[in-house]
Amino acid sequence: DAGITQSPRHKVTETGTPVTLRCHQTENHRYMYWYRQDPGHGLRLIHYSYGVKDTDKGEVSDGYSVSRSKTEDFLLTLESATSSQTSVYFCAIRPWTSGTSTDTQYFGPGTRLTVL
Amino acid sequence: DQQVKQNSPSLSVQEGRISILNCDYTNSMFDYFLWYKKYPAEGPTFLISISSIKDKNEDGRFTVFLNKSAKHLSLHIVPSQPGDSAVYFCAASAQYPYDYKLSFGAGTTVTVRA
Repeated sequence: DAGITQSPRHKVTETGTPVTLRCHQTENHRYMYWYRQDPGHGLRLIHYSYGVKDTDKGEVSDGYSVSRSKTEDFLLTLESATSSQTSVYFCAIRPWTSGTSTDTQYFGPGTRLTVL
Repeated sequence: DQQVKQNSPSLSVQEGRISILNCDYTNSMFDYFLWYKKYPAEGPTFLISISSIKDKNEDGRFTVFLNKSAKHLSLHIVPSQPGDSAVYFCAASAQYPYDYKLSFGAGTTVTVRA
C-alpha cells in the first residue's frame, strides 16, 4: 500500500463544467503523476510534479491543469470538461529513499469520470 | 508515437499452463522495464521489473526476459492461476534524457480458464 488516495472515486458531470480531482499521499514523496487510462491506449501521462509548485506537462496535457501547493496533495483540474475526457484517472507516486531510487511508480485506486 | 507496444490485446490460457506476454519498444535509450497488473476497478500494481544490465529477472511464478538487441521483453507466468486474470501493462523508462517518466504499452488482457 503506497498510501495514495484519490477523490472522488466516481464522478458524473456535464460538458462545460469544471472538475477537480484530488490525489493525496501520506509518505511525502516528491514525484507525483496523473495518468488517464483508455481502451487501446494504456496509461497516458497528463501532468507530473517533482515538488511543491513544480509541475510539467505529459503527453496528453491539453485541457488539463494541475496544482501542487503541498507535498501531499496533487490536484488535476479540467477547466471545461468535454466528453473526450471521459476516462479513468490514476494518480501515481515515485518513491525516492535514502539517495537511491528506481523508476517504479505506485498507483492510487483511480477516479472514474464520465462527462455527459 | 507509442514507444512501447503490446501487440496482443488479449491472451487466453488454461489454468496450470504458461502465460507469455510480449512487449516491444522503439526507444534505444530505455534502460529500465516494468510490468504492472491491473484488476477491474483497481489501480495498477507493480509486478516485476528488470534493468537493462540483466537479461532475466525472476520472482516466484513471474519471470521477465529482456532481449536488448531485439528491443523486446516478455513476461512468463508459470503456472497460470485464475487470480492471474487481469490486464498487464508493460512500461519503460529512459536513462537519457532522464525525465522521471514511464512510457506504457496499451495492455494485454489475460484470461485464465479453469
